[in-house]
Amino acid sequence: DAKTTQPPSMDCAEGRAANLPCNHSTISGNEYVYWYRQIHSQGPQYIIHGLKNNETNEMASLIITEDRKSSTLILPHATLRDTAVYYCIGLNDYKLSFGAGTTVTVRA
Amino acid sequence: EAGVTQSPTHLIKTRGQQATLRCSPISGHTSVYWYQQALGLGLQFLLWYDEGEERNRGNFPPRFSGRQFPNYSSELNVNALELEDSALYLCASSLGQRTCNEQFFGPGTRLTVL
Repeated sequence: DAKTTQPPSMDCAEGRAANLPCNHSTISGNEYVYWYRQIHSQGPQYIIHGLKNNETNEMASLIITEDRKSSTLILPHATLRDTAVYYCIGLNDYKLSFGAGTTVTVRA
Repeated sequence: EAGVTQSPTHLIKTRGQQATLRCSPISGHTSVYWYQQALGLGLQFLLWYDEGEERNRGNFPPRFSGRQFPNYSSELNVNALELEDSALYLCASSLGQRTCNEQFFGPGTRLTVL
């Protein structure tokens, strides 16, 4: 499984786009990049995933670099309820291994 | 450039006492965050100060309080200490001006309540 590296903590402005980076330089060709988040006292929540192309859904956008060594999760309009720990994960063989993630605090 | 500093490194108190923890942010940083990391758990957000004011607080009782001084340093006070307050208390600072800012952490204060 690819080792992912994320900043341990970030704070973002409410109402603005929140860009959360992730490095996964050892990702293999068939490994998907998944993003989950965990709000305090709740289980992890799926956000988005992608392989090569940029992806967008109702929650977020995922930008994956052409060499696939890094990606950025974009929350288009951060709200206070987006305060959570965000995990960037390489998925292979249906196994999810959560790292430390980025603790994101959205400020008013 | 000096990083975030915290004092004391270790603090031992007994139940019912008060603890005061201190944090000095990186020069130029106006935002200070406090987190609690209990054994085996992730970072739990406690308090956020910016420009001298409390901007947000986590899901902790009122006996956890603090303040930010004009030089942007900060104090965390924990009153009526309970055994479960034993944890590593981390302070982080950020620029607080851009849309998203990386927070830089200090080494922490290990609080032990006996």
